[in-house]
Amino acid sequence: DTGVSQDPRHKITKRGQNVTFRCDPISEHNRLYWYRQTLGQGPEFLTYFQNEAQLEKSRLLSDRFSAERPKGSFSTLEIQRTEQGDSAMYLCASTARLLELDEQFFGPGTRLTVL
Amino acid sequence: AQSVAQPEDQVNVAEGNPLTVKCTYSVSGNPYLFWYVQYPNRGLQFLLKYITGDNLVKGSYGFEAEFNKSQTSFHLKKPSALVSDSALYFCAVMRGRDDKIIFGKGTRLHILP
Repeated sequence: DTGVSQDPRHKITKRGQNVTFRCDPISEHNRLYWYRQTLGQGPEFLTYFQNEAQLEKSRLLSDRFSAERPKGSFSTLEIQRTEQGDSAMYLCASTARLLELDEQFFGPGTRLTVL
Repeated sequence: AQSVAQPEDQVNVAEGNPLTVKCTYSVSGNPYLFWYVQYPNRGLQFLLKYITGDNLVKGSYGFEAEFNKSQTSFHLKKPSALVSDSALYFCAVMRGRDDKIIFGKGTRLHILP
């Protein structure tokens, strides 16, 4: 499978615990994005990377959230001290930044439930 | 700031009839516009995009969209709906190649057999 993969697909945790999600983009894609999607809403931008550099972070990304892409390949999104309001689908997408504007390819998402 | 509006939460269409899913946008400068579809338990799938050129853009699965700059709209259309088109559709906009993508709230399309 050469698409974007995310792990885990589902995560149930108790309030106050830390969680970490992983995203593996399409191999030749140098841009990687994280989004959050809640029920009845479209995906909301959280942050994105160009190779290993984190270029932009949304106001939605509180201090409890941190994302990394250490070698410019896979990325991790960590949420510390989870709150019930963090329950959502976390989506990862990747794209190749070429001369032509390529569309973003999305992974299946990680569904987080905070009890 | 850029934004996308999808005025209909749900659209119901009989199989075989033409369908339209509406989208309007607000962005400074020339927009890059997209449509994505989301099936249950599956990731978002790209349908089509408008960057420049012909206002009528053709995409996957027989879908097309018409860019209308004066009305700031980018409606999704298909001449003959299939039951398998039933899904959640998202319109999205970028301000430029280096910008983030902003999604609308989505429109649920029901194709009735």
